[in-house]
Amino acid sequence: AQSVTQPDIHITVSEGASLELRCNYSYGATPYLFWYVQSPGQGLQLLLKYFSGDTLVQGIKGFEAEFKRSQSSFNLRKPSVHWSDAAEYFCAVSPYHDYKLSFGAGTTVTVRA
Amino acid sequence: SAVISQKPSRDICQRGTSLTIQCQVDSQVTMMFWYRQQPGQSLTLIATANQGSEATYESGFVIDKFPISRPNLTFSTLTVSNMSPEDSSIYLCSVALGSGNTIYFGEGSWLTVV
Repeated sequence: AQSVTQPDIHITVSEGASLELRCNYSYGATPYLFWYVQSPGQGLQLLLKYFSGDTLVQGIKGFEAEFKRSQSSFNLRKPSVHWSDAAEYFCAVSPYHDYKLSFGAGTTVTVRA
Repeated sequence: SAVISQKPSRDICQRGTSLTIQCQVDSQVTMMFWYRQQPGQSLTLIATANQGSEATYESGFVIDKFPISRPNLTFSTLTVSNMSPEDSSIYLCSVALGSGNTIYFGEGSWLTVV
């Protein structure tokens, strides 16, 4: 079975600073990888996904993620955060063509002025 | 992308009662999924709902507690039966759709049991 680890429970970052959220997965074959964001009181919004091809994936809101098979990682990055990026971020993995997602515990991002 | 509508968006329910949550998608989809997010927690898959067959439940979830219907390719319901305060959660509907089978979520149904 697949699993996801998000080592950082909470990250505080200054507005305008860079952000990196870590995600490690465990899965025997090629996974589908996703990053979702959940703002307070809201549902889940897809930031980006990786299925195959270029290992650097561009998403919405200026986010990108890099798939590193050798490290079983799919870290999310943003060069310059905005106050509106304060939210909960979830990394998720699904087996190929299965679509059943296993989620990490989530990382809460706080943005200070 | 997909537009996924869930009803109700929020509800407060008495313990011992049951509530049915609806999920409507603007496209035909083969598989729909139901997730639960308990307060302050991550999401956990409850079951997979395929049209024309019985729902498939994940470990720890049973049909008597969470009966699911899937009458057509754009609609599903999840019932939370005999509710207790431990059932207070966000329940989210999900579908796989589009190029690369992107997985989308509804806005969730926020359920509080008192």
